[in-house]
Amino acid sequence: QVQLVESGGGVVQPGRSLRLSCAASGFTFSNYNMHWVRQAPGEGLEWVAVISSEGNNQFYADSVRGRFTISRDNSQNTLSLQMHVLRVEDTALYYCAREINWIDLLDYWGQGTLVTVSS
Amino acid sequence: DIQMTQSPSAMSASVGDRVTITCRASQGISNYVAWFQQKPGKVPKRLIYASSSLQSGVPSRFSGSGSGTEFTLTISGLQPEDFATYYCLQHKTYPLSFGGGTKVEIK
Repeated sequence: QVQLVESGGGVVQPGRSLRLSCAASGFTFSNYNMHWVRQAPGEGLEWVAVISSEGNNQFYADSVRGRFTISRDNSQNTLSLQMHVLRVEDTALYYCAREINWIDLLDYWGQGTLVTVSS
Repeated sequence: DIQMTQSPSAMSASVGDRVTITCRASQGISNYVAWFQQKPGKVPKRLIYASSSLQSGVPSRFSGSGSGTEFTLTISGLQPEDFATYYCLQHKTYPLSFGGGTKVEIK
C-alpha cells in the first residue's frame, strides 16, 4: 500500500536550519510529482512547495521562496525539504503528498513531522 | 497569485442536514479545484478532485460542482462522522492555494 513517512522535525532556534525527509513506498515514486504542505498549530493548510517527477522543476510559496529548497532522490524514493533561516512563523506540521498529474493530486499524504521554531 | 475565499468559516448543522460550502477564486481557474476533509489530529483526506470527481471510497453524499470562480462542496444528509473541517484547494497555477477552511460542528 502507499506509504509516505516524514521525518526530521524538531525544535530549532530562529535563524537556524533543518532538513525534512519523506520516505515513499508502495508506488512508483519516480512517476509522481511531490509536494510539501504545512499546517501551523490550530491553523489551516498552507501549500509550501512542489518538485516534478524527474526533479528538474520546483515551485515555492512566496513565504518560503529563497529559504527552502525541495529536492528528491528517485533512487532512494526520498523527498527532502531543506529549510534555512527558519522563522517562528515556520512552526507547523509538515506533510508530504503526491501528485500523479495536474488533475489528480494530493491523494495520499504522510502523517506529518512537527517543526517548532522557538528561542 | 490566486486567492481562495471560503465560506462560511464555521457552521452548525444537524445530522441529516444538507450542507453547502463555497469557495470563490480571485480569478478563473477552470475546474482545477479539490476538496479535503480533516478531522482533529488527523491527516487531510481528499474528497473531490477536478471540481466534481468523487474520490474512490468517499460516500456519494459528498458532491462538488463549479467552474471558473465559484465552487461548492455539498454534503447531502450530514452524518455524525462528517463533522470536521473542510478545505478547498486551487491547482490551476503555482503557488497552489487553499481556502481558509470551514469547520462543520454539531448543532
